[in-house]
Amino acid sequence: KQEVTQIPAALSVPEGENLVLNCSFTDSAIYNLQWFRQDPGKGLTSLLLIQSSQREQTSGRLNASLDKSSGRSTLYIAASQPGDSATYLCAVAGTALIFGKGTTLSVSS
Amino acid sequence: GAGVSQTPSNKVTEKGKYVELRCDPISGHTALYWYRQSLGQGPEFLIYFQGTGAADDSGLPNDRFFAVRPEGSVSTLKIQRTERGDSAVYLCASSPGTSGAYNEQFFGPGTRLTVL
Repeated sequence: KQEVTQIPAALSVPEGENLVLNCSFTDSAIYNLQWFRQDPGKGLTSLLLIQSSQREQTSGRLNASLDKSSGRSTLYIAASQPGDSATYLCAVAGTALIFGKGTTLSVSS
Repeated sequence: GAGVSQTPSNKVTEKGKYVELRCDPISGHTALYWYRQSLGQGPEFLIYFQGTGAADDSGLPNDRFFAVRPEGSVSTLKIQRTERGDSAVYLCASSPGTSGAYNEQFFGPGTRLTVL
């Protein structure tokens, strides 16, 4: 059974810092991996999708990597801003998405 | 274009009552998913539709939960004899194409269900 773990569960950083969020999964037989952002009381916003054949994807200040063989993905956020404060969820795709519990990020100004 | 919409945004009901939650996917998306998110947890898969048929309903917790998508567009999640443990945010997502899991999923804002 696929299990997804996200570390750390919570993270507080000052504005401007670069940071890395970690995601690990137990079964490497995945179709793709998605990173989402969730603001309190809101739905999920897709940030990046990495297909199983890809190694990384970039969007603006965000860069996500995927290493299927080791069952790991990282989300790198450059030059963090207070507006980046949210919960970040990692999900791997089999028939449907299997999610981790998320990392709650707080960026202080 | 319009994203995934869900109604109602909030639903409060009493234990034992029946509820229906509605999802309108992005136009043209053939795949539709229901997830449930409890406080402090990531979303958990409930059921996946490809067109009108349920391709995978292995996530439905018990036979009180049922979902339909009769015309391959709008879907309704139905919960009978609600229990307090059913309280959660119910999320709907849609995806283009027939290879549902290969494609990006787009989520609606969710319906927050509270069972008193």
